[in-house]
Amino acid sequence: EAQVTQNPRYLITVTGKKLTVTCSQNMNHEYMSWYRQDPGLGLRQIYYSMNVEVTDKGDVPEGYKVSRKEKRNFPLILESPSPNQTSLYFCASTDQGIRTGELFFGEGSRLTVL
Amino acid sequence: AQSVAQPEDQVNVAEGNPLTVKCTYSVSGNPYLFWYVQYPNRGLQFLLKYITGDNLVKGSYGFEAEFNKSQTSFHLKKPSALVSDSALYFCAVRAPIYNQGGKLIFGQGTELSVKP
Repeated sequence: EAQVTQNPRYLITVTGKKLTVTCSQNMNHEYMSWYRQDPGLGLRQIYYSMNVEVTDKGDVPEGYKVSRKEKRNFPLILESPSPNQTSLYFCASTDQGIRTGELFFGEGSRLTVL
Repeated sequence: AQSVAQPEDQVNVAEGNPLTVKCTYSVSGNPYLFWYVQYPNRGLQFLLKYITGDNLVKGSYGFEAEFNKSQTSFHLKKPSALVSDSALYFCAVRAPIYNQGGKLIFGQGTELSVKP
């Protein structure tokens, strides 16, 4: 089954404790992206990757890092989480023509930083 | 600058009645427009998209959307609402490739509630 898999789905952590949210897709997509969803703000892009070893900042990259060492994986790293990073995070991918293709989303990772 | 607006935070409809969820956009160049639905505790699911061609686009679960270039709108519609349509709906426009790799720009979402 074609899918984007994120882990963990739910996480409660404390300020400053490094964490990684993993994302993996099995569709051989070149483009992958991370979004965060906050009430009243819709979804905002954090980072994106056009292909392996190519990553770039989105609208709200502060406090986040990513890597793209393999085509299928695109982990999101929070080196020193802070409470304002409490949010719902989505990983997404596409390869049906980057401009015209729809994004396939993971199920989301709800992060709470205390 | 590219942007999407969903003017209604919430839309309430009785089951069996037609529904409309509104979306307007601002984009340079040709607009590539999308609708997604999000059920509780789930990821976003693609409903339909407008790329080119017929202004009336049909999508999943009986939904359709009408592209109106003069009004820069892309309203989501369904002739007969179901209780199971209750969810959060997002309109999105694709930015040009030179703008962050052609990111999807989302509206803030509209909560659709269909009552029996």
